[in-house]
Amino acid sequence: GDSVTQMEGPVTLSEEAFLTINCTYTATGYPSLFWYVQYPGEGLQLLLKATKADDKGSNKGFEATYRKETTSFHLEKGSVQVSDSAVYFCALSGGSGNTPLVFGKGTRLSVIA
Amino acid sequence: GAGVSQSPRYKVAKRGQDVALRCDPISGHVSLFWYQQALGQGPEFLTYFQNEAQLDKSGLPSDRFFAERPEGSVSTLKIQRTQQEDSAVYLCASSRTSGDTDTQYFGPGTRLTVL
Repeated sequence: GDSVTQMEGPVTLSEEAFLTINCTYTATGYPSLFWYVQYPGEGLQLLLKATKADDKGSNKGFEATYRKETTSFHLEKGSVQVSDSAVYFCALSGGSGNTPLVFGKGTRLSVIA
Repeated sequence: GAGVSQSPRYKVAKRGQDVALRCDPISGHVSLFWYQQALGQGPEFLTYFQNEAQLDKSGLPSDRFFAERPEGSVSTLKIQRTQQEDSAVYLCASSRTSGDTDTQYFGPGTRLTVL
């Protein structure tokens, strides 16, 4: 079945550091790819998405590019802030014609001032 | 506008009790999903509705789990004879259409603790 693998956390960075969280997927067909974020005490929110190969999703300074050749959707941000501290989930949908999301295990990011 | 709401936010049950978890999706959203999130893990799919039709229940872990959405709006997830392994956060999400490219909007979740 479809699956998502993302880098294990926790990740601890200093403010203004560069962030990369790796995500790779296994799916049949042509899934849509998502990054969701869960801030402390809050529910899951969509951060960005890409629905076809070579699309780049971006939001709040975060970016991720849908790479079909490497089956990857790595999340990047050039300069993190303390307020970016959260758990980040990579997910896919539609890989086998199925709509429900398949999530990775999540990566906890802590940004220190 | 109002987002997805869930109630109760927290539920403590004794082993063997039945529980019912409610989800109010965003008005007009066609699709509704239930997920289970264990501590430190990503959400895992339980079941999916398109309007009132339950199209996929492949993720329900046992026949003690039952979900319904009788009028295509509010949904209830029922767990009978709860067990300790049922302890988790239960998330509800809705999306405007049935397409896999559509964004799913999540509620705050119900944290179930089975003693």
